[in-house]
Amino acid sequence: TQLLEQSPQFLSIQEGENLTVYCNSSSVFSSLQWYRQEPGEGPVLLVTVVTGGEVKKLKRLTFQFGDARKDSSLHITAAQPGDTGLYLCAGVRTSGTYKYIFGTGTRLKVLA
Amino acid sequence: EAQVTQNPRYLITVTGKKLTVTCSQNMNHEYMSWYRQDPGLGLRQIYYSMNVEVTDKGDVPEGYKVSRKEKRNFPLILESPSPNQTSLYFCASSLSWAGGYEQYFGPGTRLTVT
Repeated sequence: TQLLEQSPQFLSIQEGENLTVYCNSSSVFSSLQWYRQEPGEGPVLLVTVVTGGEVKKLKRLTFQFGDARKDSSLHITAAQPGDTGLYLCAGVRTSGTYKYIFGTGTRLKVLA
Repeated sequence: EAQVTQNPRYLITVTGKKLTVTCSQNMNHEYMSWYRQDPGLGLRQIYYSMNVEVTDKGDVPEGYKVSRKEKRNFPLILESPSPNQTSLYFCASSLSWAGGYEQYFGPGTRLTVT
């Protein structure tokens, strides 16, 4: 059962545009992570959010964790071709189980 | 260099022929995990281990076995591979099972079962 839904699945935009990727669930997570994966490589962590309502910024990337800790968003300002890749959210549960649940991913292509 | 290594990187095999994919980390991490990645399905956790001799099922454990006899190694065993196990496999490790710690991923193993 896929517990984390990401949208959109695919996104192709021009350099300089803004975009938002959403990660939604009906379940509560202890924390939520965002990873970026490039072709032929494993995912690499971008950020971890832990507190409901938390907002973290990483240069042009802004991450938000929902108040109820069920959803998250990733906003990219002024996208650049180097932002191209597969973005994955991952929820972490630590009550009774220690599983990671990954979203289906958003494949972003930024055109120069 | 801190890293997670997997071997082999590519493997083509036939149905029913037992195989093992090795995973090793040099960061003294407690938590290790195996995932498979399939188009449209994202990463799905197969098994995880919170420490030596402590393993548990992820969301898609059927057809797979694991062991954690040493802290650094976490091999994935397919006793009788089938074509539906054709996939891209990743091993990952993190400092602790407590959650919220960064997972470091290996480079991936692309498995084809014919």
